[in-house]
Amino acid sequence: AQSVTQLGSHVSVSEGALVLLRCNYSSSVPPYLFWYVQYPNQGLQLLLKYTSAATLVKGINGFEAEFKKSETSFHLTKPSAHMSDAAEYFCAVSDRGSSGDKLTFGTGTRLAVRP
Amino acid sequence: EAGVTQFPSHSVIEKGQTVTLRCDPISGHDNLYWYRRVMGKEIKFLLHFVKESKQDESGMPNNRFLAERTGGTYSTLKVQPAELEDSGVYFCASSQQWAGGPYEQYFGPGTRLTVT
Repeated sequence: AQSVTQLGSHVSVSEGALVLLRCNYSSSVPPYLFWYVQYPNQGLQLLLKYTSAATLVKGINGFEAEFKKSETSFHLTKPSAHMSDAAEYFCAVSDRGSSGDKLTFGTGTRLAVRP
Repeated sequence: EAGVTQFPSHSVIEKGQTVTLRCDPISGHDNLYWYRRVMGKEIKFLLHFVKESKQDESGMPNNRFLAERTGGTYSTLKVQPAELEDSGVYFCASSQQWAGGPYEQYFGPGTRLTVT
């Protein structure tokens, strides 16, 4: 069974500071990994995904994540936080089975950005 | 292109009542997924349709939940009778047909269900 652990349900950073949101996964097969963001009153939006190509994945809005197999991690980073980055972020792993790409999510990390 | 839409956005019902949630996927997307987030917990998979067929319903909590996707277009999720623990946000997502994927799943804004 797959699982995702997101360390820190709430993270607060100053505007302009580095954003680091942690995600560790467990999977019995090479995974597909995703980061989604949810802004208030909106659906989840895909930030980026890892599909076994490059281990450093660049996404939208300046975010990137690095797949580290040895650490079973897929942490999300952004060099400089902006006020508009305040949202809830979800890490997810996909089941590559024949049943399709159902997602297993972490519990989410709410990011606050201080002026 | 219209995104995934869900109706209603909020629903408050009493224990024992019936509620039907609706999801309209992006046009042409054969895959449709339902997920649920109970407060403070992770988003959990409920089931997956490919066109009108249930591909995987392993996440459905119990037989009080019934999902349909007639004609392979919109889907409904009925809860009957509702219990307090059914409260949460129900998300719908759609994607193109799986062919070694992953195709991006596009999520709707969710329906917040409160059972009192």
